[in-house]
This record gives sequence, C-alpha cells and structure tokens, in this order.
Amino acid sequence: NAGVTQTPKFQVLKTGQSMTLQCAQDMNHEYMSWYRQDPGMGLRLIHYSVGAGITDQGEVPNGYNVSRSTTEDFPLRLLSAAPSQTSVYFCASSPDPWNTEAFFGQGTRLTVV
Amino acid sequence: AQTVTQSQPEMSVQEAETVTLSCTYDTSENNYYLFWYKQPPSRQMILVIRQEAYKQQNATENRFSVNFQKAAKSFSLKISDSQLGDTAMYFCAFMKPITTSGTYKYIFGTGTRLKVLA
Repeated sequence: NAGVTQTPKFQVLKTGQSMTLQCAQDMNHEYMSWYRQDPGMGLRLIHYSVGAGITDQGEVPNGYNVSRSTTEDFPLRLLSAAPSQTSVYFCASSPDPWNTEAFFGQGTRLTVV
Repeated sequence: AQTVTQSQPEMSVQEAETVTLSCTYDTSENNYYLFWYKQPPSRQMILVIRQEAYKQQNATENRFSVNFQKAAKSFSLKISDSQLGDTAMYFCAFMKPITTSGTYKYIFGTGTRLKVLA
C-alpha cells in the first residue's frame, strides 16, 4: 500500500537547470496538488488537478508547470531553476478536495545553487 | 484574504501533561473545514483531526481534541497525556472553495513546533 510516492527525496540543482519532480498515487484519487513549504510560511499551493487532463494554478505557480495525463501521476516541472525555488515540495492527493483527508507524500527537498 | 494564524512558533510540554496549540483564521465563508496536521521529523504530513464548520460539537480523536469557536474564528488543538512521539511540527489548515474552478484548496498556518520532554 504505497499511497503517495514522491521522487527524488533530495535534489540539488544549479541555477537555470530544469528538472521534474515525480508524484504518483495508487489510490485512484481524482484530486492531486503540489505545495511548497518554506520556513515561517506554512505550505502554499502551486498547482492542482481535479482529474486527468485538468490542471489549474494555485497561489504560487510562476516558474512551475504541471500536466496530468493519467489519474496516477502528477509531475511538477521546474523550467529554469532559481534560488528562490529552494524549498521542500509536497505532493498530495484525495478522492475529492472537499470533506476528505489529503494524503501527502514524504516531500522532496530541493536546493538551487 | 483568507488567513490562518498560529501565534506560537514553539512550545514544549512534559510527558503525560496536556498542551493546547492555538489557531485563528479569517474567512467570510460560512461552510468550511478546519484541520490539524502533524509533521514529525520524517517530514510526512499526517492528519490529526478535522472539524466541519457546520457542526457545533468539537471533534475528538483519542488524546486529541479541538476547541472550535466559530464566532471567534478560533480552532485550538488540545493534546492530552502527551507522549514523546507527539514531538513534531503542527499545522492548522483551513479548506476554502475556489469559486472559479468549483474545487477547494487548503490554507495552512505557519506551524507550531512542539517538543515533548521526558
């Protein structure tokens, strides 16, 4: 019973590099989302998806792209990494976004140098 | 703007004692959900307890209970009989509707770091 799996757990990037953070869930959840966690700021929503083929922006979408080609996978792409994107990134899923618990992955700690 | 405020950045409590973490929020919505999540050093976010705003009865889950004051927009978490495993960061969160998409999102507070002392 894997739940929500994020890879990698740690990553160091150079400014300007691109990369994809992977998120996969095996619970057949429709709703998936990406958050970033910064010290003193809690978690902030980057992008979310209410189902395959449907994505939308959250509070802090700039510099990130997402796609949802399958129910299981919701990758987050950094197009050109910047030091301001140094953060811990969490992927979460739930059967629907209302009235249910969100299941979180274990996070990816990203450092951009 | 919808906000969630946790005014206690750090707290400590002796093992077996009771501790209360505070949370206030600001919203114009009438129907919403409130949550407390626990984040231990492993980074995993774990749901502790949730409260539906339309329910007057305070939610409880074993040693965890809330004091929900809707008029005051307050949602505190009480941990009874604290255990060493309760040491973690605790986040209060408010779930609000996104009117443009018909879906919902969390607004998180900045967290309270709780340390349980042996």
